[in-house]
Amino acid sequence: DIQLTQSPSFLSASVGDRITITCRASQGVSSILAWYQQKPGKAPKLLIYAASTLQSGVPSRFSGSGSGTEFTLTISNLQPEDFATYYCQQLHSLPITFGPGTKVDI
Amino acid sequence: QVQLVESGGGVVQPGGSLRLTCAASGFTFTKYVMYWVRQAPGKGLEWVASIWYDGSNDNYGDSVKGRFTISRDNSKNILYLQMNSLRVDDMAVYYCARPGGYCSDGVCPPPRMDVWGQGTTVTVSS
Repeated sequence: DIQLTQSPSFLSASVGDRITITCRASQGVSSILAWYQQKPGKAPKLLIYAASTLQSGVPSRFSGSGSGTEFTLTISNLQPEDFATYYCQQLHSLPITFGPGTKVDI
Repeated sequence: QVQLVESGGGVVQPGGSLRLTCAASGFTFTKYVMYWVRQAPGKGLEWVASIWYDGSNDNYGDSVKGRFTISRDNSKNILYLQMNSLRVDDMAVYYCARPGGYCSDGVCPPPRMDVWGQGTTVTVSS
């Protein structure tokens, strides 16, 4: 199974900040990696797929990069509605796996 | 609009069974792979199962293999998850999800889960 780790697990930030979350895979997943945002009591929301492709309707302050085993999600100019938990996910191989999440808080 | 609506969650005793339902609307259900993903209280996301567009192939996470069965009724646009021998650690919110596209003429879009239901809660307790 491909294990995903995320760092940091918790991030304290302020409105207007630029933050970066890292996702590392135990094996190469090419670019078959997605990022999701989840708020309490809500379903996850797709932000980025194919490592760097912005999902339709997602603000351009979100961006993704990387390939192989190391990936990053960057949020520029953090907005109040961005405080949430972020998960990476690999769909390169079964079983599909998620990272443990990064909580972004004030 | 594109919508997934889960139902069937509830309280069940350990060892019991439950069948979850996901009603799909607003898209051509028969073209899409479908997924179940769960989230235990206070925990992260866990892929549970996937099923091909025509139901001919399915896959499961190790923690549910042999106990859960994913299926679909393409005539009714419904996805199912039959859960047997339920354990306390199966307690979670269960989401159905749809990928961002489907394979056509051997060309498949980048995999991702871009439509999610609101989730249905399964509680396993004696």
